[in-house]
Formats: sequence, structure tokens, C-alpha cells
Amino acid sequence: GENVEQHPSTLSVQEGDSAVIKCTYSDSASNYFPWYKQELGKRPQLIIDIRSNVGEKKDQRIAVTLNKTAKHFSLHITETQPEDSAVYFCAANQAGTALIFGKGTTLSVSS
Amino acid sequence: DVKVTQSSRYLVKRTGEKVFLECVQDMDHENMFWYRQDPGLGLRLIYFSYDVKMKEKGDIPEGYSVSREKKERFSLILESASTNQTSMYLCASSLGKGEQFFGPGTRLTVL
Repeated sequence: GENVEQHPSTLSVQEGDSAVIKCTYSDSASNYFPWYKQELGKRPQLIIDIRSNVGEKKDQRIAVTLNKTAKHFSLHITETQPEDSAVYFCAANQAGTALIFGKGTTLSVSS
Repeated sequence: DVKVTQSSRYLVKRTGEKVFLECVQDMDHENMFWYRQDPGLGLRLIYFSYDVKMKEKGDIPEGYSVSREKKERFSLILESASTNQTSMYLCASSLGKGEQFFGPGTRLTVL
């Protein structure tokens, strides 16, 4: 089945810096790659996703890139703010609709 | 606005008890999922269902079973709870191969 590796497990940046989180996946049949943000004590929420027919997608300060050949995808957050502090999870689909998640990255943005 | 609800936010059970966790979604989603979330391990898929009375095993189905008698409801059953099943349990639903919407989670403690 699918396996998703996520790095780093923790990331500390200064406000205004950029943050990059990287994930690799194993199943070449995967074609949907979402990113979820989970604030402390809250449920995970989708922040951006990308499908395999696209190499990059942007939404304001957030972007995701996908390299299908290398089987990796990355989340880029620019101009980080304290409210970006959270746990971020990448995921890849398996067997169509099921998602396999990475282990998460705890992002801390200090002002 | 999608709403996914779970029957309890906190639950304390004793070893050997049968435990039912219920999840209800109100958006007519065909897919429903159960995950457990543990620190450092991310979200691990227990079971999922893509239709009424259908179920598929995820990565960690041992010790769990599920029931989906109605489209809007997906139950997770621990036949005989054990201490290593102490965890946060998250339910999610989705329409097709897209965004999963999560419930608030149930923190289960097995004594």
C-alpha cells in the first residue's frame, strides 16, 4: 500500500520567513495530494491540494509543488505569521478515495 | 456547510469493555473514514467505507470493526477495549476523490 514520509517533524521560523515542508510517497498510482492544517485542540482542515496533472498550485501565501517522477511534493508558506503555527499533514490517496497521511510537521512561528 | 459530528468528545472505558464510537455527516457524502491520531504517528487509517454496508480495511484494522447501515452514519466498534487503544479517534467524510471533512474527535481513554 501507500507510504507517505514527511520532513521535518518540527520547524521553527521567525515571522516573515518562509517555511517548506516536504513529503515523499511510494505508490505511483496516487494522484491526489492534499495538505491539512491542525491547530491545537481543533480538527484537521484542508488548506490546499494538488492533483497529478498539475505541477504547482498557489493560494495567496501558500503553494504546493508536485514532482511525479521523483514522487515528492512540498508545501511552501511565505511571509509566515504567528497564526500559521500549527501541525501540518501531507497525504496521498490510496485505493481511490482513502488518504494515507504523513506523520506531521509542527510549525512554530515566533514574532 | 459540511458538518461531521461525533457522539462523544471524551470517553473513559475499562479494559475488556465493548466501545461504540459514532460519526454522523449531513452532506450526503458516500465516503466515510475512521482514523486514530497519536503523538508522533500522525493520522492512521483504521477503516473506511465508500457505500452503505461496504467497508474496507485501512492500515491498522486489528482490534476494530465498523458498521455502516445508513449513508450518514459510520460506527467504529472496539470489541474488547485494551489500553493500547487509548487515543484520539477522528471521523471524516468526503464526496468522491476530494476533500475530507473531519469531525471534532473523540478522546478515548481505556483504563
